[in-house]
Amino acid sequence: DVKVTQSSRYLVKRTGEKVFLECVQDMDHENMFWYRQDPGLGLRLIYFSYDVKMKEKGDIPEGYSVSREKKERFSLILESASTNQTSMYLCASSHRQGHCANTEAFFGQGTRLTVV
Amino acid sequence: AQTVTQSQPEMSVQEAETVTLSCTYDTSESDYYLFWYKQPPSRQMILVIRQEAYKQQNATENRFSVNFQKAAKSFSLKISDSQLGDAAMYFCAYRSHLNYGGATNKLIFGTGTLLAVQP
Repeated sequence: DVKVTQSSRYLVKRTGEKVFLECVQDMDHENMFWYRQDPGLGLRLIYFSYDVKMKEKGDIPEGYSVSREKKERFSLILESASTNQTSMYLCASSHRQGHCANTEAFFGQGTRLTVV
Repeated sequence: AQTVTQSQPEMSVQEAETVTLSCTYDTSESDYYLFWYKQPPSRQMILVIRQEAYKQQNATENRFSVNFQKAAKSFSLKISDSQLGDAAMYFCAYRSHLNYGGATNKLIFGTGTLLAVQP
């Protein structure tokens, strides 16, 4: 069974803390994504990576950074957490286009982060 | 840049009835994929159905079917014989078929439609 695993379902952090959200996939996918989900705003792309050590900014990268040192792992980093980063964070992975047609994205269960 | 719009924040349907969720998108590309994802209260996002833009035939998966109108850039989801387990947030998503790396690998989502199923 294919799997995308996020390290925590719930996290509570203090303002100013450095926060790491980890995501691991076991499907040998090239692409990995970090989304933020807020009510009424849908899923907004923060960063994505299409290969090891490669990263691209999404629509809302400010205040975040990412790391992809190994193909299976994609980390989202909040350098200095702020209350406006309280949200649901979803990780996803997929094969790159051209690898196989019709490729879908698989998602983790999400991490609900609260910054106090 | 591509955009995806879901104009119905919430919908409600009676059990066993049929409901249609709307999605429109904007793109200058001619070849792409469209998806409907379901997110139940458990938060696990799962794929419901997908459509390749070059295929004229509408995709169908059991009780779920789409009405794909390429010229109108419309991609609606029809759920027939609605069940209590269909209650969830539904997201429409777009992905380019191009393989130039970088931004062409993005999966772009709409804002979602929350579907309630009444017993």
